[in-house]
Amino acid sequence: KQEVTQIPAALSVPEGENLVLNCSFTDSAIYNLQWFRQDPGKGLTSLLLIQSSQREQTSGRLNASLDKSSGRSTLYIAASQPGDSATYLCAVMFSGGYNKLIFGAGTRLAVHP
Amino acid sequence: SQTIHQWPATLVQPVGSPLSLECTVEGTSNPNLYWYRQAAGRGLQLLFYSVGIGQISSEVPQNLSASRPQDRQFILSSKKLLLSDSGFYLCAWSAWDRGTDTQYFGPGTRLTVL
Repeated sequence: KQEVTQIPAALSVPEGENLVLNCSFTDSAIYNLQWFRQDPGKGLTSLLLIQSSQREQTSGRLNASLDKSSGRSTLYIAASQPGDSATYLCAVMFSGGYNKLIFGAGTRLAVHP
Repeated sequence: SQTIHQWPATLVQPVGSPLSLECTVEGTSNPNLYWYRQAAGRGLQLLFYSVGIGQISSEVPQNLSASRPQDRQFILSSKKLLLSDSGFYLCAWSAWDRGTDTQYFGPGTRLTVL
């Protein structure tokens, strides 16, 4: 069964810290992996998409890495800010699952001043 | 630019009543369209996806159905709601962007079945 797991489920950090969110998946045969941000009661905002042929993607203070062989991805957030507080979701499109994203349960991040 | 709309934003319905949620996309043609549900304390689950008018694929057996009467319109329906249908319903669209399939999500509909 193709599954996506995110650790930790929740994280609370002081402003300014660098932090890492983890995502693991059960099948190394993937098309791509996407990181999303979800604010309470809102839809999802795409942050980064890593294709299966790539090792990492960067956008501003965000860096996402992909290691297919170990079935892992990390989202690194540098110099965290209170505005980063949200739930971060990892989603994987597995090979053979065209159009189908499998989501993790998310990591709920709180950055306090 | 492309935009995606969902309505209503919130809905409270009694058990056994019908349901119709609507999603429309602007600024693109022939998109792939998706319905997801996010139940309390659980991750997003794909319910339906569509690659064209009248073409619907169902991912999980359930009390819901989907239809695509127009290219950029996707409707989620039920004849009789169950308590377990409560949740946050998200519509999404995709197109082949930079050679891969990025999905873009709407603002969602919060459904409470009482």
